[in-house]
Amino acid sequence: KNEVEQSPQNLTAQEGEFITINCSYSVGISALHWLQQHPGGGIVSLFMLSSGKKKHGRLIATINIQEKHSSLHITASHPRDSAVYICAIYNTDKLIFGTGTRLQVFP
Amino acid sequence: NAGVMQNPRHLVRRRGQEARLRCSPMKGHSHVYWYRQLPEEGLKFMVYLQKENIIDESGMPKERFSAEFPKEGPSILRIQQVVRGDSAAYFCASSPPGTPELALFGQGTRLTVV
Repeated sequence: KNEVEQSPQNLTAQEGEFITINCSYSVGISALHWLQQHPGGGIVSLFMLSSGKKKHGRLIATINIQEKHSSLHITASHPRDSAVYICAIYNTDKLIFGTGTRLQVFP
Repeated sequence: NAGVMQNPRHLVRRRGQEARLRCSPMKGHSHVYWYRQLPEEGLKFMVYLQKENIIDESGMPKERFSAEFPKEGPSILRIQQVVRGDSAAYFCASSPPGTPELALFGQGTRLTVV
């Protein structure tokens, strides 16, 4: 069993829809990252969370430490949001990654 | 401040050749991490280095792979006698001392072994 599980693995949406991607983990962490990767592209850090909630533009990330769960929400989705979204937990001295959620937003 | 710089962005090697991947951390960052992303798989930790020290290499394959981060210059991930299974995207991240959770990623090097 992976230490970091994401769902769904694949997600399609119409432009404007509200999107939620979930991440559950099974070990203690000091921080959790949400990352974005476009096809063939680099990795961009969207959020780093250790508690509560963060918002940046149309993106919102929440974490519940007791339940070992985090969610990434995208409001008013747009085709340019199409990418792979990766949850990663910081455990001791390294990141452990989920397998990613592939999001496609159609106009 | 150009961020974390990796070069080359794309590298093609024939089986048996050596591959050298370079990572220049952000200014002020003294910790470097290397991660590998195999086709259709998630990212996996390879090695964590500070200047002139390997801190954790638990994710490095036992043979053919080595990494260094010298006092001067970039961090180098070296793969000797490459095989087709080494084809992957290799990402470097760097962080300031004492705050590894603030690591920032480079654009990656895509290695293709033919």
